[in-house]
Amino acid sequence: GENVEQHPSTLSVQEGDSAVIKCTYSDSASNYFPWYKQELGKRPQLIIDIRSNVGEKKDQRIAVTLNKTAKHFSLHITETQPEDSAVYFCAASITGKLIFGQGTELSVKP
Amino acid sequence: AAGVIQSPRHLIKEKRETATLKCYPIPRHDTVYWYQQGPGQDPQFLISFYEKMQSDKGSIPDRFSAQQFSDYHSELNMSSLELGDSALYFCASSLGAQRPYEQYFGPGTRLTVT
Repeated sequence: GENVEQHPSTLSVQEGDSAVIKCTYSDSASNYFPWYKQELGKRPQLIIDIRSNVGEKKDQRIAVTLNKTAKHFSLHITETQPEDSAVYFCAASITGKLIFGQGTELSVKP
Repeated sequence: AAGVIQSPRHLIKEKRETATLKCYPIPRHDTVYWYQQGPGQDPQFLISFYEKMQSDKGSIPDRFSAQQFSDYHSELNMSSLELGDSALYFCASSLGAQRPYEQYFGPGTRLTVT
């Protein structure tokens, strides 16, 4: 079955710096790759997604890139703010069910 | 905008008891997914429904069952509860045909088994 690996597990940056989180997936048939932000005890919130027919997508300070050949996708957050601090999950999907990565705890220090 | 509703938000049960979790998807959404999230872990897919039919099944124990009703709400029934069932249970919904796979999560039900 599909497996998603996510790195790093923790990431600490200074406010204003950029943050990059990387994921790899195992099943080349995966065609949908969302990213979720989850604060402690809260629901995962969809922040951006990308489908397999697109290489890059941007939404204000957030961008996602997809390399289908290498089976890699990455989340880029620019001009980080303290409110960006949370756990970020990548996921991959073939049939709708989401297979999540292990999560990255992002800490943005003022 | 209306979001996914889950009830109850918190539930405390004893071992071997049963529990029923309810999920009300975003209006017009026809697909419901259930996920289980243990402390410090990523969400694990349990089961999904599209147009009231089971569409996929993950690591759901045989002690659990679920269904989607004619109004698209879904219920997850859990029997013979074990300590290891303590977790956050999330329901997510999507507009399956038009926005496939784009899922929005409810606030979750925190189940504690003692």
